[in-house]
Amino acid sequence: EVQLVESGGGLVQPGGSLRLSCTASGFTLSSYSMNWVRQAPGKGLEWISYMSSTTNTIFYAASLKGRFTISRDIGKNSLYLQVNSLESEDTAVYYCARGAMGAYYYHYMDVWGEGTTVTVSS
Amino acid sequence: EIVLTQSPGTLSLSPGERATLSCRASQSVSSSYLAWYQQKSGQAPRLLIYGASSRATGIPDRFSGSGSGTDFTLTISRLEPEDYAVYYCQQYGDSPSYTFGQGTKLEIK
Repeated sequence: EVQLVESGGGLVQPGGSLRLSCTASGFTLSSYSMNWVRQAPGKGLEWISYMSSTTNTIFYAASLKGRFTISRDIGKNSLYLQVNSLESEDTAVYYCARGAMGAYYYHYMDVWGEGTTVTVSS
Repeated sequence: EIVLTQSPGTLSLSPGERATLSCRASQSVSSSYLAWYQQKSGQAPRLLIYGASSRATGIPDRFSGSGSGTDFTLTISRLEPEDYAVYYCQQYGDSPSYTFGQGTKLEIK
Protein backbone atom coordinates (compact mmCIF):
# COMPACT_ATOMS: atom_id res chain seq x y z
CA GLU A 1 0.00 0.00 0.00
CA VAL A 2 1.26 3.44 -0.91
CA GLN A 3 1.48 5.51 2.25
CA LEU A 4 3.09 8.58 3.78
CA VAL A 5 3.50 8.98 7.53
CA GLU A 6 4.56 12.26 9.12
CA SER A 7 6.13 12.69 12.53
CA GLY A 8 8.14 15.16 14.56
CA GLY A 9 5.48 17.68 15.44
CA GLY A 10 4.89 18.96 18.94
CA LEU A 11 4.72 21.96 21.21
CA VAL A 12 7.57 24.43 20.73
CA GLN A 13 8.22 27.90 22.09
CA PRO A 14 8.35 30.93 19.79
CA GLY A 15 11.80 31.16 18.21
CA GLY A 16 12.32 27.42 18.48
CA SER A 17 12.98 24.79 15.86
CA LEU A 18 11.69 21.39 14.81
CA ARG A 19 12.48 18.81 12.16
CA LEU A 20 9.43 17.19 10.64
CA SER A 21 9.74 13.79 8.98
CA CYS A 22 7.69 12.04 6.31
CA THR A 23 8.38 8.36 5.70
CA ALA A 24 7.13 6.69 2.56
CA SER A 25 6.08 3.08 2.14
CA GLY A 26 4.90 1.23 -0.94
CA PHE A 27 6.96 3.41 -3.27
CA THR A 28 10.44 4.89 -3.62
CA LEU A 29 10.28 8.48 -2.42
CA SER A 30 13.37 9.54 -4.38
CA SER A 31 11.62 8.68 -7.66
CA TYR A 32 9.00 11.34 -7.04
CA SER A 33 8.77 15.05 -6.54
CA MET A 34 7.46 15.85 -3.08
CA ASN A 35 5.72 18.67 -1.26
CA TRP A 36 4.93 20.01 2.17
CA VAL A 37 1.54 21.63 2.77
CA ARG A 38 0.22 23.05 6.03
CA GLN A 39 -3.17 23.89 7.48
CA ALA A 40 -3.62 26.28 10.38
CA PRO A 41 -6.48 25.50 12.80
CA GLY A 42 -9.82 26.14 11.12
CA LYS A 43 -8.12 27.47 7.98
CA GLY A 44 -7.42 26.32 4.44
CA LEU A 45 -4.48 24.58 2.83
CA GLU A 46 -1.21 26.42 2.27
CA TRP A 47 1.54 25.01 0.05
CA ILE A 48 4.95 25.39 1.71
CA SER A 49 7.68 23.68 -0.27
CA TYR A 50 8.47 21.54 -3.31
CA MET A 51 11.45 19.30 -4.06
CA SER A 52 11.95 17.62 -7.41
CA SER A 53 12.95 13.96 -7.61
CA THR A 54 16.46 14.98 -8.61
CA THR A 55 16.59 17.58 -5.77
CA ASN A 56 17.83 20.06 -8.39
CA THR A 57 14.70 22.15 -8.05
CA ILE A 58 13.47 23.35 -4.68
CA PHE A 59 10.82 25.99 -4.12
CA TYR A 60 9.44 27.61 -1.00
CA ALA A 61 6.44 29.81 -0.35
CA ALA A 62 7.55 33.43 -0.13
CA SER A 63 5.71 33.86 3.17
CA LEU A 64 8.19 31.56 4.96
CA LYS A 65 10.94 34.18 4.85
CA GLY A 66 13.71 31.60 4.48
CA ARG A 67 13.03 29.85 7.76
CA PHE A 68 12.18 26.40 6.35
CA THR A 69 14.42 23.85 4.61
CA ILE A 70 13.28 20.75 2.73
CA SER A 71 15.54 17.72 2.40
CA ARG A 72 15.43 13.94 2.07
CA ASP A 73 17.28 10.75 3.01
CA ILE A 74 17.18 8.12 0.26
CA GLY A 75 18.27 5.32 2.58
CA LYS A 76 15.40 6.02 4.97
CA ASN A 77 12.93 6.70 2.15
CA SER A 78 12.07 9.88 4.01
CA LEU A 79 11.44 13.56 3.42
CA TYR A 80 12.15 16.26 5.99
CA LEU A 81 11.20 19.82 6.77
CA GLN A 82 13.48 21.80 9.07
CA VAL A 83 11.48 24.64 10.56
CA ASN A 84 13.34 27.42 12.37
CA SER A 85 12.51 30.67 14.14
CA LEU A 86 8.98 29.45 14.71
CA GLU A 87 6.18 31.96 15.18
CA SER A 88 2.66 31.52 16.49
CA GLU A 89 1.44 31.81 12.89
CA ASP A 90 3.29 28.57 12.10
CA THR A 91 0.89 26.61 14.30
CA ALA A 92 -0.66 24.10 11.91
CA VAL A 93 -0.98 20.53 10.76
CA TYR A 94 1.87 19.82 8.38
CA TYR A 95 1.25 17.35 5.55
CA CYS A 96 3.65 15.81 3.09
CA ALA A 97 2.19 15.05 -0.33
CA ARG A 98 3.48 13.22 -3.38
CA GLY A 99 3.86 14.93 -6.72
CA ALA A 100 4.97 13.64 -10.09
CA MET A 101 7.09 10.62 -10.77
CA GLY A 102 10.24 12.31 -11.92
CA ALA A 103 11.35 15.89 -11.81
CA TYR A 104 8.20 17.44 -13.24
CA TYR A 105 6.88 20.45 -11.35
CA TYR A 106 3.50 20.82 -13.07
CA HIS A 107 1.71 18.04 -11.23
CA TYR A 108 -1.04 17.52 -8.71
CA MET A 109 -0.60 15.86 -5.29
CA ASP A 110 -1.98 12.36 -5.40
CA VAL A 111 -0.92 10.83 -2.08
CA TRP A 112 -1.08 12.62 1.27
CA GLY A 113 -0.01 11.70 4.75
CA GLU A 114 -2.24 12.18 7.78
CA GLY A 115 -0.18 15.10 9.01
CA THR A 116 1.79 16.07 12.09
CA THR A 117 0.72 18.92 14.37
CA VAL A 118 3.03 21.79 15.27
CA THR A 119 1.94 24.12 18.05
CA VAL A 120 3.99 27.25 18.71
CA SER A 121 3.24 28.70 22.10
CA SER A 122 4.96 29.91 25.22
CA GLU B 1 1.05 34.43 -7.69
CA ILE B 2 -2.27 33.12 -8.92
CA VAL B 3 -5.08 33.72 -6.43
CA LEU B 4 -7.95 31.22 -6.45
CA THR B 5 -11.36 32.31 -5.18
CA GLN B 6 -13.93 29.63 -4.41
CA SER B 7 -17.65 30.17 -4.17
CA PRO B 8 -19.85 29.80 -2.36
CA GLY B 9 -18.12 29.66 1.00
CA THR B 10 -20.77 27.27 2.29
CA LEU B 11 -23.26 25.23 0.29
CA SER B 12 -26.25 23.63 2.01
CA LEU B 13 -27.88 20.83 0.03
CA SER B 14 -29.85 17.65 0.68
CA PRO B 15 -28.74 14.13 -0.25
CA GLY B 16 -29.62 13.37 -3.84
CA GLU B 17 -29.29 16.99 -4.95
CA ARG B 18 -26.72 18.32 -7.40
CA ALA B 19 -23.81 20.39 -6.10
CA THR B 20 -21.96 22.96 -8.17
CA LEU B 21 -18.77 24.47 -6.74
CA SER B 22 -16.87 27.27 -8.42
CA CYS B 23 -13.17 28.18 -8.50
CA ARG B 24 -12.07 31.38 -10.18
CA ALA B 25 -8.43 32.24 -10.83
CA SER B 26 -6.90 35.74 -10.86
CA GLN B 27 -5.13 34.86 -14.11
CA SER B 28 -5.32 32.06 -16.61
CA VAL B 29 -4.25 28.64 -15.33
CA SER B 30 -1.89 27.17 -17.88
CA SER B 31 -2.83 23.89 -19.52
CA SER B 32 -5.76 23.52 -17.14
CA TYR B 33 -3.40 22.54 -14.35
CA LEU B 34 -6.22 22.65 -11.84
CA ALA B 35 -7.01 20.02 -9.20
CA TRP B 36 -9.82 19.49 -6.72
CA TYR B 37 -9.44 17.90 -3.30
CA GLN B 38 -11.95 16.72 -0.72
CA GLN B 39 -11.20 17.02 2.98
CA LYS B 40 -13.33 15.53 5.71
CA SER B 41 -13.06 16.69 9.30
CA GLY B 42 -9.84 15.48 10.93
CA GLN B 43 -8.58 13.84 7.74
CA ALA B 44 -6.01 14.58 5.10
CA PRO B 45 -7.09 15.98 1.74
CA ARG B 46 -7.94 13.46 -0.98
CA LEU B 47 -7.38 14.08 -4.67
CA LEU B 48 -10.60 14.05 -6.67
CA ILE B 49 -9.90 15.74 -10.00
CA TYR B 50 -6.73 16.74 -11.86
CA GLY B 51 -6.18 18.46 -15.18
CA ALA B 52 -9.48 20.26 -14.53
CA SER B 53 -11.59 17.28 -15.63
CA SER B 54 -9.82 13.94 -15.06
CA ARG B 55 -11.02 11.84 -12.16
CA ALA B 56 -8.40 10.38 -9.87
CA THR B 57 -8.21 6.66 -9.28
CA GLY B 58 -11.19 5.29 -7.38
CA ILE B 59 -13.26 8.48 -7.50
CA PRO B 60 -16.94 7.83 -8.28
CA ASP B 61 -18.29 9.15 -11.56
CA ARG B 62 -20.79 11.39 -9.78
CA PHE B 63 -17.81 13.75 -9.37
CA SER B 64 -16.90 15.74 -12.45
CA GLY B 65 -14.74 18.74 -13.19
CA SER B 66 -14.89 21.27 -15.99
CA GLY B 67 -13.56 24.63 -17.06
CA SER B 68 -10.47 26.29 -18.45
CA GLY B 69 -8.63 29.58 -18.32
CA THR B 70 -9.84 31.31 -15.18
CA ASP B 71 -13.15 29.56 -14.43
CA PHE B 72 -13.46 26.03 -13.14
CA THR B 73 -16.31 23.98 -11.69
CA LEU B 74 -16.62 20.84 -9.60
CA THR B 75 -19.99 19.13 -9.93
CA ILE B 76 -21.36 16.34 -7.77
CA SER B 77 -24.32 14.97 -9.67
CA ARG B 78 -26.23 13.34 -6.80
CA LEU B 79 -25.03 13.93 -3.27
CA GLU B 80 -24.33 10.92 -1.09
CA PRO B 81 -24.00 11.19 2.72
CA GLU B 82 -20.23 10.69 2.49
CA ASP B 83 -19.80 13.69 0.16
CA TYR B 84 -20.32 16.30 2.87
CA ALA B 85 -16.90 17.82 3.38
CA VAL B 86 -14.74 20.82 2.48
CA TYR B 87 -13.57 21.06 -1.11
CA TYR B 88 -10.45 22.87 -2.28
CA CYS B 89 -9.23 23.77 -5.72
CA GLN B 90 -5.51 24.06 -6.41
CA GLN B 91 -3.52 25.34 -9.36
CA TYR B 92 -0.20 23.72 -10.20
CA GLY B 93 0.62 25.58 -13.41
CA ASP B 94 2.34 28.61 -11.94
CA SER B 95 6.02 28.35 -11.09
CA PRO B 96 7.38 28.65 -8.46
CA SER B 97 4.25 28.66 -6.36
CA TYR B 98 1.27 26.36 -6.08
CA THR B 99 -1.86 27.93 -4.60
CA PHE B 100 -5.11 26.67 -3.11
CA GLY B 101 -8.51 28.25 -2.94
CA GLN B 102 -9.95 29.03 0.48
CA GLY B 103 -12.37 26.10 0.30
CA THR B 104 -16.10 25.49 0.00
CA LYS B 105 -17.86 23.72 2.84
CA LEU B 106 -20.61 21.40 1.64
CA GLU B 107 -23.09 20.80 4.45
CA ILE B 108 -26.29 18.83 4.83
CA LYS B 109 -29.45 20.87 4.52
